[in-house]
Amino acid sequence: ILNVEQSPQSLHVQEGDSTNFTCSFPSSNFYALHWYRWETAKSPEALFVMTLNGDEKKKGRISATLNTKEGYSYLYIKGSQPEDSATYLCASGSSASKIIFGSGTRLSIRP
Amino acid sequence: DTAVSQTPKYLVTQMGNDKSIKCEQNLGHDTMYWYKQDSKKFLKIMFSYNNKELIINETVPNRFSPKSPDKAHLNLHINSLELGDSAVYFCASSLSGPGRSQPQHFGDGTRLSIL
Repeated sequence: ILNVEQSPQSLHVQEGDSTNFTCSFPSSNFYALHWYRWETAKSPEALFVMTLNGDEKKKGRISATLNTKEGYSYLYIKGSQPEDSATYLCASGSSASKIIFGSGTRLSIRP
Repeated sequence: DTAVSQTPKYLVTQMGNDKSIKCEQNLGHDTMYWYKQDSKKFLKIMFSYNNKELIINETVPNRFSPKSPDKAHLNLHINSLELGDSAVYFCASSLSGPGRSQPQHFGDGTRLSIL
């Protein structure tokens, strides 16, 4: 994998359901994996930064895991709420001082 | 207190004009960035400065020139604006360098529209 890829591109989830999506990134020269939450008409806000294989981070109902050997990270949202509707971006940083953003997963929560 | 502020928020101008967008951060961060959100909503990095020194310069037309007078400011000057320059431009900053273990903090964006 040469780029950062996120799947699915968009997701519609019923309020109260749990969901997850994926970020795949180049595993060579990996340094850090960032997750951002981006609401419409606002700016991206940092959720997590993970650097070590096996890292897990949690903030309220949102959590993320990291597998640097195979080059993927999962973001989980438990008990989705309407305010979770946003685009979730991941970005991979490399030791070459590069950062590449994925195209995002657009999440819509149906009340 | 706004952490990363960019001005103006909206910029409407004619093709061929020269314009600047300013960015300031009061977080004490060493690294600042300019991103372009393209028509497909992708966020593409354009430039990054660390302590006033250019460290990322992606394939961007020479008409775009960043300037960092000090580590709290990173301005973007665009010459001879073209229709394809219409986009939202985001400024960001972080404590450490690009892709490192510190998150980036984004400004609210500048929506540039070329007539």
